[in-house]
Amino acid sequence: DTGVSQDPRHKITKRGQNVTFRCDPISEHNRLYWYRQTLGQGPEFLTYFQNEAQLEKSRLLSDRFSAERPKGSFSTLEIQRTEQGDSAMYLCASSYGRGLAGADTQYFGPGTRLTVL
Amino acid sequence: AQTVTQSQPEMSVQEAETVTLSCTYDTSESDYYLFWYKQPPSRQMILVIRQEAYKQQNATENRFSVNFQKAAKSFSLKISDSQLGDAAMYFCASASPTGNQFYFGTGTSLTVIP
Repeated sequence: DTGVSQDPRHKITKRGQNVTFRCDPISEHNRLYWYRQTLGQGPEFLTYFQNEAQLEKSRLLSDRFSAERPKGSFSTLEIQRTEQGDSAMYLCASSYGRGLAGADTQYFGPGTRLTVL
Repeated sequence: AQTVTQSQPEMSVQEAETVTLSCTYDTSESDYYLFWYKQPPSRQMILVIRQEAYKQQNATENRFSVNFQKAAKSFSLKISDSQLGDAAMYFCASASPTGNQFYFGTGTSLTVIP
């Protein structure tokens, strides 16, 4: 069990550029979550996958954001035409469960810190 | 929608003493799950304790216990025999049963004084 990993750990980009983050969940975990955390705030839920299916998208996830989880393994979160307001820590979490996902223990990665200049 | 409120941005406790962190929530769901997560400085967030709303018994994990008051929509965390390693940001969170809605509070920064 190597834990949830995220790549890159830090990303600095210029406004208007596209960025892509990767999350590798704990192997065998069938559920994967993306959150955004800004300074002084708690994580905000963005989206949730069960296997390869994206089951929920927050209204926070504008059209510039897209997430995928091909083959139900790793996941990518892409932000197109980045804005300064996108600067935040992007957290990924994974869990394993056969029942209701709300009961799962989520295991968090270290996050990717995005800075948009 | 659910909301989670943590009214104590910062708390401190003497080592070996007991501290209680407050959390209130609001939900229209009849069933839900409540969590306390710990985020140490520059480290990953980890689960401290979980409570299922339909269970009346308060959850306990070693030195960590909760006081779950469903009618008052209150979910406080008690840390007994505080240790230096307990110093962290603590987040209260709620989840819908299907897991498609997950809400965190703004966190309480806990300092443990040697």
